[in-house]
Amino acid sequence: DAGVTQSPTHLIKTRGQHVTLRCSPISGHKSVSWYQQVLGQGPQFIFQYYEKEERGRGNFPDRFSARQFPNYSSELNVNALLLGDSALYLCASSLFSVDAGELFFGEGSRLTVL
Amino acid sequence: GNSVTQMEGPVTLSEEAFLTINCTYTATGYPSLFWYVQYPGEGLQLLLKATKADDKGSNKGFEATYRKETTSFHLEKGSVQVSDSAVYFCALSDVSGGGADGLTFGKGTHLIIQP
Repeated sequence: DAGVTQSPTHLIKTRGQHVTLRCSPISGHKSVSWYQQVLGQGPQFIFQYYEKEERGRGNFPDRFSARQFPNYSSELNVNALLLGDSALYLCASSLFSVDAGELFFGEGSRLTVL
Repeated sequence: GNSVTQMEGPVTLSEEAFLTINCTYTATGYPSLFWYVQYPGEGLQLLLKATKADDKGSNKGFEATYRKETTSFHLEKGSVQVSDSAVYFCALSDVSGGGADGLTFGKGTHLIIQP
């Protein structure tokens, strides 16, 4: 069975640009969460979606947005990129919304902002 | 708010040594506690969990006990192997809020096991 898949794996953008990151959850999983992992730090929660609705949001600015599609895949969008947005963006899926702890992570999309 | 503090690495041990990675937490509600592991070139994966006080989580020879009185969840293993080399993250989920606030992670501990 395929695990959580993310694309692209690596990308380079310049300040002010926009980026879209994509995630496909494990088959049957209805919840998708996004995390930002800055080098040397633990992952930080950005969003959780369940059944196509936002169920939780971390302390990130409005430049960050996401959505979940009917097939439960998800996109993370970041507008007006800043140098500080350079990080590994992790997507995680789980069966249910309240199974917040037992997450299955993808390998991430590494974003570099120049 | 919620927070997790874990010992910073790198931690370097010889094969078959005893391992302890300390983790303490602060939470406003009644958290569940987790250890996640990130092997080189792989995604984060759940190692073990405990959902209430005095629970012991265990997996692959690792174990951790949820200590509410000391707000700790230390990870231990009796005899480490080279294959245990990885980054270990302690995390909590405040399920009293429905878990929709996501996981709160510590900064991670890089473990290096030498043969």
